[in-house]
Amino acid sequence: EVQLVESGGGFIQPGGSLRLSCAASGFTVGNKYMSWVRQAPGKGPEWVSVVYIDDTTYYADSVKGRFTISRDNSKNTLYLQMNSLRAEDTAVYHCAKAYCSSSNCYPAYPDSWGPGTLVTVSS
Amino acid sequence: EIVLTQSPATLSLSPGERATLSCRASQSVSSYLAWYQQKPGQAPRLLIYDASNRATGVPARFSGSGSGTDFTLTISSLEPEDFAVYYCQQRSSWPPLTFGGGTKVEIK
Repeated sequence: EVQLVESGGGFIQPGGSLRLSCAASGFTVGNKYMSWVRQAPGKGPEWVSVVYIDDTTYYADSVKGRFTISRDNSKNTLYLQMNSLRAEDTAVYHCAKAYCSSSNCYPAYPDSWGPGTLVTVSS
Repeated sequence: EIVLTQSPATLSLSPGERATLSCRASQSVSSYLAWYQQKPGQAPRLLIYDASNRATGVPARFSGSGSGTDFTLTISSLEPEDFAVYYCQQRSSWPPLTFGGGTKVEIK
């Protein structure tokens, strides 16, 4: 069974840094397209970043240059390093594995989301 | 960036009724559109991908249609567990992936 569990969220002042972790089980993160998606309180989802199987990464403009997605295959864990945090980064952060049908995988369709970890940026 | 506009914001229906949700894109996304369901306190769940394909395990009462800029999610007969918020999402021109603002399906 696929399971994703995020951790590392918390309360942080503007300008601070946090590293989020996403522990995976039931599959190997290194073999899948993995994304981070966030959801501000009462709002819809906002895509943050994706890492491809070949380690190519993409970021939303709002986080480019401040956030870094990475993974440790030996720990089967996905990470999101977040620097220079702003109030508008306040959200629940979910990791997600890309959807795979019987014949194809779709890096742009996050599926099997974890429950998320709350990041609150405030002074 | 492609903007997705969902309507209505809230849909009040009774169990057993048919639900029709709309998603309109600011420019053509071909068939590269997905629908997600989110229940309170839970993460979103992928229902439909590439406009009309049901994801694994999704009941047949959920169907998607449309192409270009206009898309529809139909729930043929609402079950109690279907009352939730639904989001559309495009992958035509990415990054970034973009989501719509959501439609809440509530019990009338």
